[in-house]
Amino acid sequence: AQTVTQSQPEMSVQEAETVTLSCTYDTSESNYYLFWYKQPPSRQMILVIRQEAYKQQNATENRFSVNFQKAAKSFSLKISDSQLGDTAMYFCAFMRPYGNKLVFGAGTILRVKS
Amino acid sequence: DGGITQSPKYLFRKEGQNVTLSCEQNLNHDAMYWYRQDPGQGLRLIYYSQIVNDFQKGDIAEGYSVSREKKESFPLTVTSAQKNPTAFYLCASSGQIDRGRLNTEAFFGQGTRLTVV
Repeated sequence: AQTVTQSQPEMSVQEAETVTLSCTYDTSESNYYLFWYKQPPSRQMILVIRQEAYKQQNATENRFSVNFQKAAKSFSLKISDSQLGDTAMYFCAFMRPYGNKLVFGAGTILRVKS
Repeated sequence: DGGITQSPKYLFRKEGQNVTLSCEQNLNHDAMYWYRQDPGQGLRLIYYSQIVNDFQKGDIAEGYSVSREKKESFPLTVTSAQKNPTAFYLCASSGQIDRGRLNTEAFFGQGTRLTVV
């Protein structure tokens, strides 16, 4: 079974600084999908970024980028120029290539301070 | 607008009763999911469905049941066998994976807060 581990329960960062959230996963598949979702206090889940394992290039979306290390099964999220609106719970998620099963890590609470 | 609608937003259940949470999507997605979230916790997968008339158990299926009679709908029933049902429930849908390629990632509804009284 696939598992997703987020080892940082809580993190804080000063506004305008950079922060990195960690995620590791366990799978025997060679192709799969990885995601970072954000859950603000409203509890609405919002997709931040997605990475296809068959692509070597790290995904980027504006201030958000990932460091995908396939051999190490690591998928960290870097947030640059942190903003107060980035305060949220962040979840790492894994989807295997067949069957659509989507599993999540335990989440990391990120607090951006002014 | 396309999206996923969960209803109701808040639900109260007496002990021993079954309740059904609604999830409807008009995104033409094949796959649908139900997750449970406890305070300060991650999302745990209850059930998921790849296609109409088919569904699989997730990690915490005991005490829950689902049906997938229509592509748009994936209701979740919390039965009296679920000993601790108070939680926040999230429904999601995603595109199908075709030959190893995912066309559309998962989108989520706004959730249902279930409380046992």
